[in-house]
Amino acid sequence: QKEVEQNSGPLSVPEGAIASLNCTYSDRVSQSFFWYRQYSGKSPELIMSIYSNGDKEDGRFTAQLNKASQYVSLLIRDSQPSDSATYLCAANTNAGKSTFGDGTTLTVKP
Amino acid sequence: DAMVIQNPRYQVTQFGKPVTLSCSQTLNHNVMYWYQQKSSQAPKLLFHYYDKDFNNEADTPDNFQSRRPNTSFCFLDIRSPGLGDAAMYLCATSGTVYNEQFFGPGTRLTVL
Repeated sequence: QKEVEQNSGPLSVPEGAIASLNCTYSDRVSQSFFWYRQYSGKSPELIMSIYSNGDKEDGRFTAQLNKASQYVSLLIRDSQPSDSATYLCAANTNAGKSTFGDGTTLTVKP
Repeated sequence: DAMVIQNPRYQVTQFGKPVTLSCSQTLNHNVMYWYQQKSSQAPKLLFHYYDKDFNNEADTPDNFQSRRPNTSFCFLDIRSPGLGDAAMYLCATSGTVYNEQFFGPGTRLTVL
C-alpha cells in the first residue's frame, strides 16, 4: 500500500464543471496536507494547504480533510482549461517526512 | 521577489562522472528538501535539512550526498551517476517541517 494514494486518472471534465480529486494517506501521524499543481515539465506549485478537519475554501478551490477517515480532497469549481495539469497530494509528519502521491492528471475540455 | 533558484536547469553528464546540483533560496527558510522525480511519478524525497540537521531517507542510495554550507545554499552531489539516475531533481524550502513547500524550477539531469 502506498503511503499517499490518489484516485487514478486521468480525469476529464468540461469547462465550467466541478473537478473532484481525492487522496488517502496511511500514516496516522501526518499533521499537514497539501495540494500542489504541476504543469508538464514544470515544478509543483502550492494550491492549498489544510491542517485541521473540515473544509477550507480559496477562490474556486476547496480542500476537505477528514483525519478519522485519513482522507483529503480538492474540489475545483468552474474548471478552466488552464486548470489542466497534474495535481499532487502531499502529507507531512512532524518529523519532517514529506510524502507525495503519484498525482492525478486533470484535463478540462473547452 | 523571494524565491528558490536551481542551477543548472539542464545538466548532461556521462555514466559514472560526478555531478553537483545547486539550490539557493532568498526566503530564509529553515528547511530545505531534495526530491527526485521521474516521468509520471511522485516526487521522491531524498533528504532534508532542518537548519544544519541532516535527515536522510532510508532508501536514498549512498550514491547521493548533500551539503548545506549555510542557510541559503544546498547542494546535491551524485558521486557516480547511473542511467537510472536520470530524472528531474527538485529543491524545495519550507519555514517549518509542517508547512507548505516552495519549489525551485528543477534541474533536468540526463546521463549518457
